Amino acid sequence: EAGVVQSPRYKIIEKKQPVAFWCNPISGHNTLYWYLQNLGQGPELLIRYENEEAVDDSQLPKDRFSAERLKGVDSTLKIQPAELGDSAVYLCASSPYRGITNTGELFFGEGSRLTVL
Amino acid sequence: KQEVTQIPAALSVPEGENLVLNCSFTDSAIYNLQWFRQDPGKGLTSLLLIQSSQREQTSGRLNASLDKSSGRSTLYIAASQPGDSATYLCAVNTGNQFYFGTGTSLTVIP
Repeated sequence: EAGVVQSPRYKIIEKKQPVAFWCNPISGHNTLYWYLQNLGQGPELLIRYENEEAVDDSQLPKDRFSAERLKGVDSTLKIQPAELGDSAVYLCASSPYRGITNTGELFFGEGSRLTVL
Repeated sequence: KQEVTQIPAALSVPEGENLVLNCSFTDSAIYNLQWFRQDPGKGLTSLLLIQSSQREQTSGRLNASLDKSSGRSTLYIAASQPGDSATYLCAVNTGNQFYFGTGTSLTVIP
């Protein structure tokens, strides 16, 4: 079974440029997460989707970040314009939905490392 | 808000030694706890998942325990190998969100 697939693995851009990351979750996983991970830190939630609905985007900096999950499968996370402080690893994860609350196991992709110059 | 702490932040052991990594959390109202391994420049790989009703889970040389009432979990690694060198993170699941610790960086010296 294929795991969570992310692209690109690495991206280097100038500040103020736009950037987009793509994620394909494990087949059948309704729940999709985007996390941000800074060096030496644990992942921090940006947004959580249940199917195509963003059920928790309270941590997403909406002035420059946007995300979508069309048809409840693939997802894209966009930053426009990027700032120096956005340099980090952007991780996508998916989990099978288990009813009202999500009690499933979490599976991560390899991450997309962003460097903003 | 749930807070997750992992101690120690870094650990260095000689090959063959048994070791214990610690994870503590502030709110015992969790559904499960998951241990992950992260190699440099890679994503997180799931090692063990313990449901709130369970006390421990085992996979090969790894054994994870959970004491929900005291807000603690341990990951025991038996007969450590250089290939075990990585950062180990724990995450608690409250049903709506996963809260992560900052990890323990493990180095196993040949």
